[in-house]
Amino acid sequence: NAGVTQTPKFQVLKTGQSMTLQCAQDMNHEYMSWYRQDPGMGLRLIHYSVGAGITDQGEVPNGYNVSRSTTEDFPLRLLSAAPSQTSVYFCASSRQETTSTDTQYFGPGTRLTVL
Amino acid sequence: AQSVAQPEDQVNVAEGNPLTVKCTYSVSGNPYLFWYVQYPNRGLQFLLKYITGDNLVKGSYGFEAEFNKSQTSFHLKKPSALVSDSALYFCAVRVYSSASKIIFGSGTRLSIRP
Repeated sequence: NAGVTQTPKFQVLKTGQSMTLQCAQDMNHEYMSWYRQDPGMGLRLIHYSVGAGITDQGEVPNGYNVSRSTTEDFPLRLLSAAPSQTSVYFCASSRQETTSTDTQYFGPGTRLTVL
Repeated sequence: AQSVAQPEDQVNVAEGNPLTVKCTYSVSGNPYLFWYVQYPNRGLQFLLKYITGDNLVKGSYGFEAEFNKSQTSFHLKKPSALVSDSALYFCAVRVYSSASKIIFGSGTRLSIRP
């Protein structure tokens, strides 16, 4: 199994540009989530999904959209990038949302810079 | 508000000494608590979790954590630190809203000196 994969690893955008961060998992996990990591602020939850077709907002959803058309994929879209979105983005998945006692598996991260 | 806090930004310990990384939480219902570790330029890796049962939970790399309900704490411990334990450590907790989700503390940087 590849686990959780994220592409790209690095990205530089100009203010106002749009892009999609890709996340895929091959473990048949129902629960997937996106976090951003900023110095001194830990990981903050952006959006999460408890299964295909179901998404919900986390702590910091503004400026980001998500969709979950398949169990495997959970892309994160920035419609109009802003410098405040400069961060490292992590995707994670776990087996069951209903209990959420299972371990979350993290991707390697995408380092995004918005100029 | 449901939350998790790590009061120390950095913890410095000499190799061979015991280490403690602190975590406190505030949740409704029974807490599900986790510790994760992040090495430089890597994603987070699971260390251990508390769901129910014994208050002392043992995890990977010789780490353990003690759940204390009265103090709402879940401190991470190791009897003898290694230089290779130097990393960023995150405490996390499951919280309840329209659906359950995991939220993380701000992280504690652990530095082990030889």
